[in-house]
Amino acid sequence: EVQLVQSGAEVKKPGESLKISCKVSGYSFTNYWIAWVRQIPGKGLEWMGIIYPGDSDTRYSPSFQGQVTISADKSINTAYLQWSSLKASDTAMYYCTRRELYHPLRFDYWGQGTLVTVSS
Amino acid sequence: QSALTQPASVSGSPGQSITISCTGTSSDVGGYNFVSWFQQHPGKGPKLMIYDVTNRPSGVSNRFSGSKSGNTASLTISGLQAEDEADYYCSSYTSRRTGVFGGGTKLTVL
Repeated sequence: EVQLVQSGAEVKKPGESLKISCKVSGYSFTNYWIAWVRQIPGKGLEWMGIIYPGDSDTRYSPSFQGQVTISADKSINTAYLQWSSLKASDTAMYYCTRRELYHPLRFDYWGQGTLVTVSS
Repeated sequence: QSALTQPASVSGSPGQSITISCTGTSSDVGGYNFVSWFQQHPGKGPKLMIYDVTNRPSGVSNRFSGSKSGNTASLTISGLQAEDEADYYCSSYTSRRTGVFGGGTKLTVL
């Protein structure tokens, strides 16, 4: 059974760093891309970026370039999303999702989401 | 890159058909046959309903169909049911080799 299991909810202060994870199982980690999607409470979905764990090829949407870092550790089938200095505006639900190699938007399995709250 | 343009809301009665549009540019919707549609119920994660403009994943009802003309993609739901009430998001591949979402459409089943 394909599963993407994300790390738990986080409450952080502005300026703090954070790394959230997405551990996959039930398929070959290096045969699919992993994307991260942000959803601010009450708002729509936003593309953040995507990584191919096979060779760590990573692409970011312009809005998130330089704001976050996406990485993957194929030895433990886990992808990561990290911030070096959080802002209140980073408060959101973050989803990871997998994508097939030759279908750029076939995101068929999703993680349960990680709620990040940034507040002083 | 700007979000794709979707109507904020649509509504229909049970049994009717509705169509949600998704307008982009030649750098995204118009340039590639890679448009997906996602359904999201309140408090839940997104669910893939259509990919590659017209394809339905296994398990998705054939009441859902997708199409595209020029820079505008469309999702049609026929035989509307109460359980279809949800938010719907389109997404397109872009010339930057990433994706972009639409702003979302709230579907109300009257």
